[in-house]
Amino acid sequence: EIVLTQSPGTVSLSPGERATLSCRASENIKSNSLAWYQQKPGQSPRLLIYGASNRAIGIPDRFSGSGSGTDFTLTISRLDSEDFAVYHCQQYGTSPITFGQGTRLEIK
Amino acid sequence: EVQLVESGGGLIQPGRSLRLSCRGSGFTFGEYAMSWFRQAPGKGLEWVATIRSYPFGGTTEYAASVKVRFTMSRDDSKSIAYLQMNNLETEDTAMYHCGRHLPYNRHDAFDVWGQGTLVTVSS
Repeated sequence: EIVLTQSPGTVSLSPGERATLSCRASENIKSNSLAWYQQKPGQSPRLLIYGASNRAIGIPDRFSGSGSGTDFTLTISRLDSEDFAVYHCQQYGTSPITFGQGTRLEIK
Repeated sequence: EVQLVESGGGLIQPGRSLRLSCRGSGFTFGEYAMSWFRQAPGKGLEWVATIRSYPFGGTTEYAASVKVRFTMSRDDSKSIAYLQMNNLETEDTAMYHCGRHLPYNRHDAFDVWGQGTLVTVSS
């Protein structure tokens, strides 16, 4: 199965700063079949990005996704206080579907 | 409002069985593939099972860790997806969520999630 490694494990930033989160795959992800989710404590995940770079409905344009092959990035251009959460990447190009271990974005 | 609501979790002894339900509302349930996921306390997300919509064959897929023990099914007339879990193990302890796939079977990403139902397997 494809293993997704997210880095960093935890990142501390201030509101207004830019966040860059990485997701690296153990092998090529077919057709850029990668999604990003945001999860806050006690809540279920929220889809942000699919197909590596497509924003889901209702997601602010400060969230953007990029990358291909084995290296993918989620960028939050200017952090809002509501953006501090755990972020998960997920690949669906090859069965089984797999998730990364998550990156915690905390307020500095 | 588009919504998924899970039910059926609880405290169960190892080796016993449990059936989870995921009821959808606010959308045409039968048009969408559905999946189950789980998240053990303090851990990441794990995909468990998928069932395609009947126009796309209604086929199922399972994670290797549950393949011989869990069965996913759906009743589109009731807008419910089920997860029958047999021979439960302590390692199955987790919050179980269901999720709706993006439409048209093009992207297996999940745009609607339920709040989850907690399964605790312990003697």
